[in-house]
Amino acid sequence: GNSVTQMEGPVTLSEEAFLTINCTYTATGYPSLFWYVQYPGEGLQLLLKATKADDKGSNKGFEATYRKETTSFHLEKGSVQVSDSAVYFCALSGETSYDKVIFGPGTSLSVIP
Amino acid sequence: GAGVSQSPSNKVTEKGKDVELRCDPISGHTALYWYRQSLGQGLEFLIYFQGNSAPDKSGLPSDRFSAERTGGSVSTLTIQRTQQEDSAVYLCASSWTGGVTETQYFGPGTRLLVL
Repeated sequence: GNSVTQMEGPVTLSEEAFLTINCTYTATGYPSLFWYVQYPGEGLQLLLKATKADDKGSNKGFEATYRKETTSFHLEKGSVQVSDSAVYFCALSGETSYDKVIFGPGTSLSVIP
Repeated sequence: GAGVSQSPSNKVTEKGKDVELRCDPISGHTALYWYRQSLGQGLEFLIYFQGNSAPDKSGLPSDRFSAERTGGSVSTLTIQRTQQEDSAVYLCASSWTGGVTETQYFGPGTRLLVL
C-alpha cells in the first residue's frame, strides 16, 4: 500500500541556516504530494503542494519538487527564521477521492536565534 | 468564511466513561476525516467519510471507537468505555470532494484526557 517516510526529528537549526526535510513515498498511480505545518498551539494548515511530477510547490520561502524518479518531495528553505519553528508533515493523496490521504510522522523543527 | 469547528475544545473524563466528540466541517465539503494525535506523535488516521459512500474505518483502533456523519455534514466520534491510552488530541479535517489534488482543512482539535 501507499506510504510516506520522513526524516526523524527533532531538527535544530540556527537562524538563517539552510533547511532540508526529507520525504519519500511509495505509491501506485499519480498521487498529489503535500506539506502541512503545525505551529505551536495552532492547528495543521497546508504549507504547499504539488499535483504532478516535476511540479514545484512554494510558499513562505519554502519549496518542494515532486520527483517521481526518486519518489521524493523534500522540503527546503534557504534561510530559516525563528518563526519557522513548527512540526512539518509530508502527505500523500490517495489515487482516487475514495482513498484516504496518508501522512508522514512529522518532523519537529526548532530554529534558535 | 467559517472554518472547521470542533467541540468540545477540551474534555476530561474518567476511565470507563463514554465520550462524544463533534466536528462541523466547512459548509459544502463532502469529505471528512478524523485523526488522533498523541503527545509528540504524528497523525494517526481513524476514519474517512466521502459523500454517501461507505466510510473507510480501517484506522479505528478498537470496537470501542465509532463515528457517524449525519446528513452529510456534522460528524460525531464516539469512544466507549474510555481508557487512559485514549488520551490525545482528536482532529477533524474536511475537503470539498476528497479529490486527489485537494487541500484538507483542519479544525482546532479536541483535547481528551482520560483520568
